[in-house]
Amino acid sequence: EAGVAQSPRYKIIEKRQSVAFWCNPISGHATLYWYQQILGQGPKLLIQFQNNGVVDDSQLPKDRFSAERLKGVDSTLKIQPAKLEDSAVYLCASSLVAAGGPRKTQYFGPGTRLLVL
Amino acid sequence: GQQVMQIPQYQHVQEGEDFTTYCNSSTTLSNIQWYKQRPGGHPVFLIQLVKSGEVKKQKRLTFQFGEAKKNSSLHITATQTTDVGTYFCAGSGAGTASKLTFGTGTRLQVTL
Repeated sequence: EAGVAQSPRYKIIEKRQSVAFWCNPISGHATLYWYQQILGQGPKLLIQFQNNGVVDDSQLPKDRFSAERLKGVDSTLKIQPAKLEDSAVYLCASSLVAAGGPRKTQYFGPGTRLLVL
Repeated sequence: GQQVMQIPQYQHVQEGEDFTTYCNSSTTLSNIQWYKQRPGGHPVFLIQLVKSGEVKKQKRLTFQFGEAKKNSSLHITATQTTDVGTYFCAGSGAGTASKLTFGTGTRLQVTL
């Protein structure tokens, strides 16, 4: 079974530039997550999709970050304009979520390492 | 909002020694998950605990969920160099859509 795919793996940009990350979840996984992991910290949830609808985006800095999940499969996360403090690893994860059941395992992709100069 | 803290932040052990990391939540959890992240890698799911007081074992790893469902621990017996990495607990509240809040992590270093 193929895992969660992410691209690019690395990105270096200057502050105020724009950047976009792409994620392809495991086939059949209805739930997709984007996390931001700053060096030395745990992953912080930015946004959670259930199919193509947003379930939680309470921690997404909406003035500069945006995300979409077209057709409930692939997803893109965009930062415009980037700031120095956006330097982090951006992790995409997916899971099966059965209604009424316990939370399902989240499978993480390799992440995109972003450096903002 | 919900906060999940882990102690210690870092531990260095000799191979063969035991290791324990503790996880504490500011709120009662519906369930807790544990993940391992190798240096330069991504988090990999280890286990999920749901019931109050639950204890689960995976070979040398023992996971425990507190009676009040606000804390958890991971104990590794006789560590090996392959255990190196950062261990995160992650808790969520009630509801299948409730988000997962990751702890601060414990970085384990094992030397021969």
